[in-house]
Amino acid sequence: SAVISQKPSRDICQRGTSLTIQCQVDSQVTMMFWYRQQPGQSLTLIATANQGSEATYESGFVIDKFPISRPNLTFSTLTVSNMSPEDSSIYLCSARQGSQETQYFGPGTRLLVL
Amino acid sequence: QKEVEQDPGPLSVPEGAIVSLNCTYSNSAFQYFMWYRQYSRKGPELLMYTYSSGNKEDGRFTAQVDKSSKYISLFIRDSQPSDSATYLCAMIRAGSYQLTFGKGTKLSVIP
Repeated sequence: SAVISQKPSRDICQRGTSLTIQCQVDSQVTMMFWYRQQPGQSLTLIATANQGSEATYESGFVIDKFPISRPNLTFSTLTVSNMSPEDSSIYLCSARQGSQETQYFGPGTRLLVL
Repeated sequence: QKEVEQDPGPLSVPEGAIVSLNCTYSNSAFQYFMWYRQYSRKGPELLMYTYSSGNKEDGRFTAQVDKSSKYISLFIRDSQPSDSATYLCAMIRAGSYQLTFGKGTKLSVIP
C-alpha cells in the first residue's frame, strides 16, 4: 500500500489568507484525491487531482476557492483560498494505485481559521 | 435519504466483547465495500475490503456484505482497548473512483 504524508499537519490561519497543503506519496499512483472531513460529517470529496491538467471538482467546490496542482505521479497540492471560519476542517489527501478500487489516506491537515 | 447511513454512536464495550458495526445503503449500484479505521488525529486506515456479497475474515475482523438487504457489517472479536477508534464504512460503484462514506461510528473498548 502507498504511504502518504501531508504538510503541514495543522495550522491556525487568519480569515482572508490562503494556505497550501502538500501531499507526497512514496510510490507512483494513478489517482490522487482531496477530501474534507468536518466534525460529525462524512468525508466529502473535493476534487480529483489530475497530473498535468486541471483538477476535476465535485459539486459545491470550485477552482477559485480550492486550486489544486499535480505536477507528477507522486505529489499534489491543495490551496484553500481567501479563508473564512467555515473552512475550518480536516483536509485529507488520498491515492489509488493501479486499477484497485481502494484508496489510501494521508494523516490529514487540521485547519483552524480565526 | 442519504446514500449511506451509519450510526455515529458512541459505542462503548468492555474488553473482550464482540463488536458489531453496521451500515445501510440505498444505491444498489455499489459493488465494492470497505471499512476504514481512524484513530484520533490520524487519517483513515484501510481495514477491510470486500467485493459484492459474502464474508471476509482477517484475524479478529470479519466483514460481511448482504447486497439483498443493502447492509454491511464489521465484526470485531475479542475487542481490545487498541481497537478504540472511529470506524468508517465506504463503498464504490463498479467503474467509478468515487468513495461514498458513512459518518463513522466511534468505538471505545474499556479495559
